[in-house]
Amino acid sequence: DTEVTQTPKHLVMGMTNKKSLKCEQHMGHRAMYWYKQKAKKPPELMFVYSYEKLSINESVPSRFSPECPNSSLLNLHLHALQPEDSALYLCASSQTSGSLNEQFFGPGTRLTVL
Amino acid sequence: QKEVEQNSGPLSVPEGAIASLNCTYSDRGSQSFFWYRQYSGKSPELIMFIYSNGDKEDGRFTAQLNKASQYVSLLIRDSQPSDSATYLCAVKNNAGGTSYGKLTFGQGTILTVHP
Repeated sequence: DTEVTQTPKHLVMGMTNKKSLKCEQHMGHRAMYWYKQKAKKPPELMFVYSYEKLSINESVPSRFSPECPNSSLLNLHLHALQPEDSALYLCASSQTSGSLNEQFFGPGTRLTVL
Repeated sequence: QKEVEQNSGPLSVPEGAIASLNCTYSDRGSQSFFWYRQYSGKSPELIMFIYSNGDKEDGRFTAQLNKASQYVSLLIRDSQPSDSATYLCAVKNNAGGTSYGKLTFGQGTILTVHP
């Protein structure tokens, strides 16, 4: 299985809502990533988890809260978002050993904040 | 100065031609280099990776790496309309000594292959 899955595919939320994005992989990867991608821009790294521990936080606002409950799951909890947070949110995973560690992306969640 | 730069697009080639996509990077410590293809509205898909100087071929795709010049390229032979997409160059730098590292993306080059 070489797939990373993400739910939901689309999400519309108000600025006062709380919602969560979910990511799952069954490739045995121990590094998982959240990226944000705005239209016509490259993905921007938000968070990296390694062995279920947060290892990189790219100075992301606290209204985004990541969680890694186990080695296959990655969540992104959203609260009090702003309209400018509307974007495609991508999850990726990779191995942690070896030198290459290519990242495989899920299909993304298209988020719209009203 | 941008860390990863790609040739500005959009790039338009006729069907059957060779498409050449270029990328330069600023960090000499970069170790691995990736090309992702992204169709409109979809997520990035890994199509090639390279980490040694020289050429690496996979089907119609050839990746070229020159670490001395800090340059990586992707050639697509016999281009097809289905190759029309945004191509993202990504460079991996080890972050905090970790082997999984951090990917830095270029801005992407939009390729259109016209029949």
